[in-house]
Parts: sequence; structure tokens; C-alpha cells
Amino acid sequence: DAKTTQPNSMESNEEEPVHLPCNHSTISGTDYIHWYRQLPSQGPEYVIHGLTSNVNNRMASLAIAEDRKSSTLILHRATLRDAAVYYCSHAGNNRKLIWGLGTSLAVNP
Amino acid sequence: EAGVVQSPRYKIIEKKQPVAFWCNPISGHNTLYWYRQNLGQGPELLIRYENEEAVDDSQLPKDRFSAERLKGVDSTLKIQPAELGDSAVYLCASSFQYAEQFFGPGTRLTVL
Repeated sequence: DAKTTQPNSMESNEEEPVHLPCNHSTISGTDYIHWYRQLPSQGPEYVIHGLTSNVNNRMASLAIAEDRKSSTLILHRATLRDAAVYYCSHAGNNRKLIWGLGTSLAVNP
Repeated sequence: EAGVVQSPRYKIIEKKQPVAFWCNPISGHNTLYWYRQNLGQGPELLIRYENEEAVDDSQLPKDRFSAERLKGVDSTLKIQPAELGDSAVYLCASSFQYAEQFFGPGTRLTVL
């Protein structure tokens, strides 16, 4: 099964960029990298996913290392509403996402 | 567009009692997931359906847990009998094929 490693917690100030790292050394060539976040008392919410190239959407950017063994989720301007637990994962041939402990992001006003 | 609907939102039962959770996925989503999330942990997949077929139930404790997805739409997850260790949040998610998953708000189960 896929395994990921993320820092337990990170802190940022409002309106500053945030870089959330993830190591996924067991990733195989066809696995997509997925990021979700979970706000308090809510179900997880999709953020972004990618395969090899860097990806951008309205929520965030995803930077994928050339060897694909790590990725970084970038929030360009953190807001108080971005305070959440961020999970990265990748799915193998069984298409099964394995969720780790995630990174708890605190945003200071 | 309506999101994934789950009920009840909260349930408190005594151990050895049965409990059931219901999920209505987003219309058109053929893949449905049930997850269990313990406090401070990420979600753990219990079972995944493609339409009405359970394609991955390897993590479902089959001695006490059961699930069904009749007609490939709504789904029910049941625990009988419940144990203290079953206290957790039970999340339902749906997706079209294996695109991004949309989660419901979850059911918080407390077993006393």
C-alpha cells in the first residue's frame, strides 16, 4: 500500500504563502498524487492532484519533484479559512488512497 | 448541486447494540466509499463500491460490519453488535469513476 510522510504541524501568518511538503518514496510511475484537506468537524475536501507536471487550480498549486518521490502543496496567500489538516496520498493500481496523519496547518491573523 | 448526504449526524448507543448509517451519494457518481476516522487519524477505507458491486472490502471487519448498496445508489453501513472500539466518525464519499472524492459530513458514533 502507498505510504506518505508529512510534518505533524505547520504554522503560517495570514496572507503569506504556505508550502506543505510530502514524501511519497514508494510511489510508482502511474500513481497520481492527491491532496485533500479537512476542516474541523467536516469531511475531507479535495484540493488538487497531479501526475508529473506542476498543477494549478483556484485553491492551490502542486509542485511535484522530478523523481516524484516528494511533492509540495502551495497555498499562495493563506487565509484563516485555510486552517485545516492537509493530507497527501497516492493511489496504486488498486486505486486505493491511503491516508496518513496529515499536517495540521494553523494560520495566525 | 446537492452534496453527499449522511444520516444520522450523531449516534450514541450502548455496546452490543446494533447501529446503521445511511449515505446518499452525489447523483451520477458510480463509486461509493465508506471510511472510518478515529480521533487524530486520517480516514481508513472500509469498503468501496463500483455501482452495486463491492470491489474492495478488505478492511471491513466482516464479523460485525456489513454494507449494501442496492441499485447502485444509496448505501447503508451496519454494525452489529457495536463494541467500545467502534467509536469513531464514519464518512461516506462518492466519485465519478476514480476522480476526486466528495465527502459527506460524517456520522459521529459514540459507543458507551
